[in-house]
Amino acid sequence: QSVLTQSPSVSGAPGQRVTISCTGSSSNIGAGYDVHWYQQLPGTAPKLLIYVNSNRPSGVPDRFSGSKSGTSASLAITGLQAEDEADYYCQSYDSSLSGVVFGGGTKLTVL
Amino acid sequence: QVTLRESGPALVKPTQTLTLTCTFSGFSLSTSGMCVSWIRQPPGKALEWLALIDWDDDKYYSTSLKTRLTISKDTSKNQVVLTMTNMDPVDTATYYCARAKALYGEVDVWGQGTTVTVSS
Repeated sequence: QSVLTQSPSVSGAPGQRVTISCTGSSSNIGAGYDVHWYQQLPGTAPKLLIYVNSNRPSGVPDRFSGSKSGTSASLAITGLQAEDEADYYCQSYDSSLSGVVFGGGTKLTVL
Repeated sequence: QVTLRESGPALVKPTQTLTLTCTFSGFSLSTSGMCVSWIRQPPGKALEWLALIDWDDDKYYSTSLKTRLTISKDTSKNQVVLTMTNMDPVDTATYYCARAKALYGEVDVWGQGTTVTVSS
Protein backbone atom coordinates (compact mmCIF):
# COMPACT_ATOMS: atom_id res chain seq x y z
CA GLN A 1 0.00 0.00 0.00
CA SER A 2 1.69 3.18 -1.20
CA VAL A 3 1.57 6.37 0.84
CA LEU A 4 0.75 8.28 -2.33
CA THR A 5 -2.31 6.92 -4.13
CA GLN A 6 -2.50 6.73 -7.90
CA SER A 7 -5.12 5.13 -10.11
CA PRO A 8 -3.68 1.87 -11.46
CA SER A 9 -4.49 2.67 -15.06
CA VAL A 10 -5.68 5.34 -17.44
CA SER A 11 -6.19 5.31 -21.18
CA GLY A 12 -6.83 7.67 -24.02
CA ALA A 13 -6.86 7.89 -27.78
CA PRO A 14 -4.11 9.62 -29.74
CA GLY A 15 -4.50 13.38 -29.58
CA GLN A 16 -6.61 13.31 -26.44
CA ARG A 17 -5.84 14.73 -23.00
CA VAL A 18 -5.44 12.56 -19.92
CA THR A 19 -4.74 13.36 -16.30
CA ILE A 20 -3.08 11.20 -13.67
CA SER A 21 -3.75 12.01 -10.05
CA CYS A 22 -1.59 11.50 -6.99
CA THR A 23 -3.36 11.73 -3.65
CA GLY A 24 -1.45 12.12 -0.44
CA SER A 25 -2.11 13.40 3.05
CA SER A 26 -1.25 16.10 5.57
CA SER A 27 2.16 14.54 6.22
CA ASN A 28 3.37 14.71 2.64
CA ILE A 29 1.77 16.70 -0.19
CA GLY A 30 -0.58 18.49 2.18
CA ALA A 31 2.35 19.54 4.34
CA GLY A 32 3.76 21.48 1.42
CA TYR A 33 6.38 19.04 0.20
CA ASP A 34 7.03 19.15 -3.51
CA VAL A 35 5.78 16.53 -5.93
CA HIS A 36 7.87 15.11 -8.75
CA TRP A 37 6.76 12.90 -11.62
CA TYR A 38 8.57 10.17 -13.50
CA GLN A 39 7.90 8.31 -16.73
CA GLN A 40 9.01 4.70 -17.03
CA LEU A 41 8.91 3.21 -20.51
CA PRO A 42 8.74 -0.58 -20.67
CA GLY A 43 12.00 -2.21 -19.68
CA THR A 44 13.80 1.03 -18.89
CA ALA A 45 14.75 3.09 -15.87
CA PRO A 46 12.42 5.89 -14.78
CA LYS A 47 12.99 9.34 -16.23
CA LEU A 48 12.28 12.65 -14.55
CA LEU A 49 9.25 14.24 -16.19
CA ILE A 50 8.13 17.04 -13.85
CA TYR A 51 9.98 18.45 -10.85
CA VAL A 52 8.86 20.71 -8.03
CA ASN A 53 5.19 20.29 -8.89
CA SER A 54 5.10 21.94 -12.29
CA ASN A 55 8.56 22.33 -13.81
CA ARG A 56 9.71 20.47 -16.91
CA PRO A 57 13.36 19.44 -17.33
CA SER A 58 14.99 20.39 -20.56
CA GLY A 59 13.86 18.11 -23.36
CA VAL A 60 10.46 17.21 -21.91
CA PRO A 61 7.70 18.31 -24.30
CA ASP A 62 5.28 20.97 -23.10
CA ARG A 63 2.50 18.44 -23.65
CA PHE A 64 3.35 17.34 -20.11
CA SER A 65 2.33 19.57 -17.22
CA GLY A 66 2.01 19.22 -13.47
CA SER A 67 0.00 20.88 -10.76
CA LYS A 68 -0.50 20.58 -7.03
CA SER A 69 -3.35 21.57 -4.76
CA GLY A 70 -4.03 20.67 -1.15
CA THR A 71 -3.16 17.04 -0.56
CA SER A 72 -3.10 16.09 -4.25
CA ALA A 73 -1.12 16.58 -7.41
CA SER A 74 -1.86 15.91 -11.04
CA LEU A 75 0.02 15.18 -14.20
CA ALA A 76 -1.67 16.19 -17.45
CA ILE A 77 -0.69 14.95 -20.88
CA THR A 78 -2.19 16.65 -23.90
CA GLY A 79 -2.00 15.60 -27.54
CA LEU A 80 -1.52 11.98 -26.50
CA GLN A 81 0.98 10.03 -28.60
CA ALA A 82 1.70 6.33 -28.88
CA GLU A 83 5.16 6.91 -27.39
CA ASP A 84 3.57 8.18 -24.17
CA GLU A 85 2.46 4.67 -23.31
CA ALA A 86 4.33 4.03 -20.06
CA ASP A 87 4.08 3.84 -16.29
CA TYR A 88 3.96 7.16 -14.44
CA TYR A 89 4.98 7.65 -10.81
CA CYS A 90 4.62 10.56 -8.42
CA GLN A 91 7.11 11.16 -5.61
CA SER A 92 7.18 13.35 -2.54
CA TYR A 93 8.52 13.42 1.02
CA ASP A 94 6.62 12.23 4.06
CA SER A 95 7.36 13.78 7.44
CA SER A 96 5.75 10.96 9.42
CA LEU A 97 7.99 8.42 7.71
CA SER A 98 10.92 10.82 7.49
CA GLY A 99 11.60 9.61 4.01
CA VAL A 100 10.92 9.70 0.31
CA VAL A 101 7.65 8.17 -0.87
CA PHE A 102 6.44 7.09 -4.29
CA GLY A 103 2.97 6.53 -5.63
CA GLY A 104 1.89 3.09 -6.73
CA GLY A 105 2.19 4.06 -10.37
CA THR A 106 -0.30 4.56 -13.17
CA LYS A 107 -0.13 2.63 -16.41
CA LEU A 108 -1.06 4.78 -19.38
CA THR A 109 -2.44 2.97 -22.40
CA VAL A 110 -2.75 4.80 -25.70
CA LEU A 111 -5.68 3.24 -27.52
CA GLN B 1 27.21 14.37 -18.63
CA VAL B 2 25.97 12.77 -15.43
CA THR B 3 25.91 8.98 -15.36
CA LEU B 4 25.41 6.36 -12.68
CA ARG B 5 25.98 2.63 -12.90
CA GLU B 6 25.00 -0.04 -10.42
CA SER B 7 27.04 -3.18 -9.87
CA GLY B 8 26.68 -6.20 -7.65
CA PRO B 9 25.64 -9.84 -7.61
CA ALA B 10 22.72 -10.93 -9.74
CA LEU B 11 21.88 -13.77 -7.40
CA VAL B 12 22.03 -13.99 -3.62
CA LYS B 13 20.83 -16.65 -1.24
CA PRO B 14 18.26 -16.07 1.49
CA THR B 15 19.80 -14.70 4.72
CA GLN B 16 22.87 -13.42 2.86
CA THR B 17 23.97 -9.80 2.78
CA LEU B 18 23.66 -7.89 -0.49
CA THR B 19 26.29 -5.30 -1.35
CA LEU B 20 25.61 -2.95 -4.26
CA THR B 21 27.97 -0.32 -5.60
CA CYS B 22 26.95 2.79 -7.47
CA THR B 23 29.74 4.33 -9.54
CA PHE B 24 28.97 7.76 -10.87
CA SER B 25 30.52 10.49 -12.99
CA GLY B 26 29.73 14.03 -14.01
CA PHE B 27 29.23 15.35 -10.50
CA SER B 28 30.88 15.25 -7.11
CA LEU B 29 29.21 14.03 -3.93
CA SER B 30 31.29 16.56 -2.04
CA THR B 31 29.45 19.41 -3.73
CA SER B 32 26.84 21.06 -1.56
CA GLY B 33 23.34 19.87 -2.37
CA MET B 34 24.31 16.64 -4.08
CA CYS B 35 22.77 13.38 -2.96
CA VAL B 36 22.57 9.78 -4.14
CA SER B 37 19.53 7.60 -3.53
CA TRP B 38 18.89 3.90 -3.86
CA ILE B 39 15.48 2.88 -5.13
CA ARG B 40 14.20 -0.58 -5.98
CA GLN B 41 11.40 -2.04 -8.05
CA PRO B 42 10.16 -5.62 -7.64
CA PRO B 43 9.03 -7.25 -10.87
CA GLY B 44 5.76 -5.70 -12.02
CA LYS B 45 5.52 -3.49 -8.94
CA ALA B 46 6.02 0.11 -7.94
CA LEU B 47 9.17 2.02 -7.09
CA GLU B 48 10.30 1.88 -3.47
CA TRP B 49 12.82 4.31 -1.98
CA LEU B 50 15.48 2.68 0.16
CA ALA B 51 18.12 5.16 1.27
CA LEU B 52 19.85 8.46 0.54
CA ILE B 53 23.24 9.90 1.37
CA ASP B 54 24.08 13.55 0.95
CA TRP B 55 27.19 15.63 0.37
CA ASP B 56 27.54 16.19 4.11
CA ASP B 57 27.49 12.42 4.78
CA ASP B 58 24.01 12.57 6.30
CA LYS B 59 22.18 9.32 5.77
CA TYR B 60 18.46 8.62 5.52
CA TYR B 61 16.70 5.27 5.37
CA SER B 62 13.32 3.81 4.59
CA THR B 63 11.56 3.38 7.93
CA SER B 64 10.48 -0.15 7.07
CA LEU B 65 13.97 -1.30 6.06
CA LYS B 66 16.32 0.82 8.15
CA THR B 67 17.43 -2.02 10.41
CA ARG B 68 18.74 -3.88 7.35
CA LEU B 69 20.28 -1.06 5.33
CA THR B 70 23.59 0.76 5.42
CA ILE B 71 24.58 3.43 2.90
CA SER B 72 28.06 4.89 2.60
CA LYS B 73 30.13 6.90 0.17
CA ASP B 74 33.68 7.08 -1.06
CA THR B 75 34.01 10.54 -2.51
CA SER B 76 37.48 9.91 -3.89
CA LYS B 77 36.19 6.99 -5.94
CA ASN B 78 32.85 8.57 -6.84
CA GLN B 79 31.05 5.59 -5.36
CA VAL B 80 28.12 4.95 -3.07
CA VAL B 81 27.64 1.55 -1.49
CA LEU B 82 24.41 0.06 -0.18
CA THR B 83 24.34 -3.05 1.96
CA MET B 84 21.17 -4.92 2.80
CA THR B 85 21.31 -7.71 5.34
CA ASN B 86 19.21 -10.84 5.74
CA MET B 87 18.02 -10.99 2.15
CA ASP B 88 14.69 -12.68 1.43
CA PRO B 89 12.99 -13.71 -1.81
CA VAL B 90 10.66 -10.70 -1.46
CA ASP B 91 13.75 -8.52 -1.93
CA THR B 92 14.02 -9.72 -5.53
CA ALA B 93 13.96 -6.51 -7.55
CA THR B 94 15.76 -4.16 -9.87
CA TYR B 95 17.88 -1.84 -7.76
CA TYR B 96 18.54 1.67 -9.03
CA CYS B 97 20.96 4.28 -7.84
CA ALA B 98 20.18 7.83 -8.80
CA ARG B 99 21.25 11.39 -8.20
CA ALA B 100 18.85 13.40 -6.08
CA LYS B 101 18.52 17.11 -5.44
CA ALA B 102 18.23 16.86 -1.65
CA LEU B 103 16.06 14.57 0.44
CA TYR B 104 12.91 16.41 -0.55
CA GLY B 105 14.02 16.94 -4.10
CA GLU B 106 13.66 15.24 -7.39
CA VAL B 107 15.73 12.37 -8.68
CA ASP B 108 17.09 13.86 -11.85
CA VAL B 109 19.38 11.15 -13.20
CA TRP B 110 18.91 7.40 -12.83
CA GLY B 111 21.24 4.50 -13.38
CA GLN B 112 20.13 1.68 -15.64
CA GLY B 113 19.43 -0.58 -12.68
CA THR B 114 20.74 -3.97 -11.65
CA THR B 115 18.51 -6.98 -11.17
CA VAL B 116 18.95 -8.96 -7.98
CA THR B 117 17.27 -12.32 -7.47
CA VAL B 118 17.08 -13.87 -4.03
CA SER B 119 16.84 -17.63 -4.27
CA SER B 120 18.42 -20.69 -2.77
